[in-house]
Amino acid sequence: DVKVTQSSRYLVKRTGEKVFLECVQDMDHENMFWYRQDPGLGLRLIYFSYDVKMKEKGDIPEGYSVSREKKERFSLILESASTNQTSMYLCASDGGYGYTFGSGTRLTVV
Amino acid sequence: RKEVEQDPGPFNVPEGATVAFNCTYSNSASQSFFWYRQDCRKEPKLLMSVYSSGNEDGRFTAQLNRASQYISLLIRDSKLSDSATYLCVVTRNSGNTPLVFGKGTRLSVIA
Repeated sequence: DVKVTQSSRYLVKRTGEKVFLECVQDMDHENMFWYRQDPGLGLRLIYFSYDVKMKEKGDIPEGYSVSREKKERFSLILESASTNQTSMYLCASDGGYGYTFGSGTRLTVV
Repeated sequence: RKEVEQDPGPFNVPEGATVAFNCTYSNSASQSFFWYRQDCRKEPKLLMSVYSSGNEDGRFTAQLNRASQYISLLIRDSKLSDSATYLCVVTRNSGNTPLVFGKGTRLSVIA
């Protein structure tokens, strides 16, 4: 089975901090994605990547950036964390038969 | 019109009941369709793909109507363990494009 690992299950950060969320997949998939999930809003796409060093903006990229230096790793960066970025962040990897998600990082910005 | 629309529920059904969820999508160019299941405080997990010919996996049957841009999921003989949120998911466009998720339909199966 594909395994997608997110580095932290829970994080608490202060407003203005730079935050790194890491995601690693073990199946050599080219496509990786970052979503956030909020009550009443569902899953919203932040950024995605179809290959190393490639990135594409999703629906809500403002305040975020990403890095894909190696195929297995896709990092989400909050340049200056704000309270409206408090959310559940989900990373996904796609092997062509639907996504496999990591277990999520619940980020609280105080 | 929202890209993917689902009735949020909740659907509260007794064990053994048959329950059906529906979903509509707005982009006729969408090519791939899925149902995902999400348990409380867990990540979404792929339940099944949906094909025009319809497909069945045990107690679960999925149907796609491209002309009406409508997707359905039928669960027969509901179990307590089926309690979850069911997400309708489509590709935004044709080809290798990101998935768009509906907000989900919540199901509670009660003893």
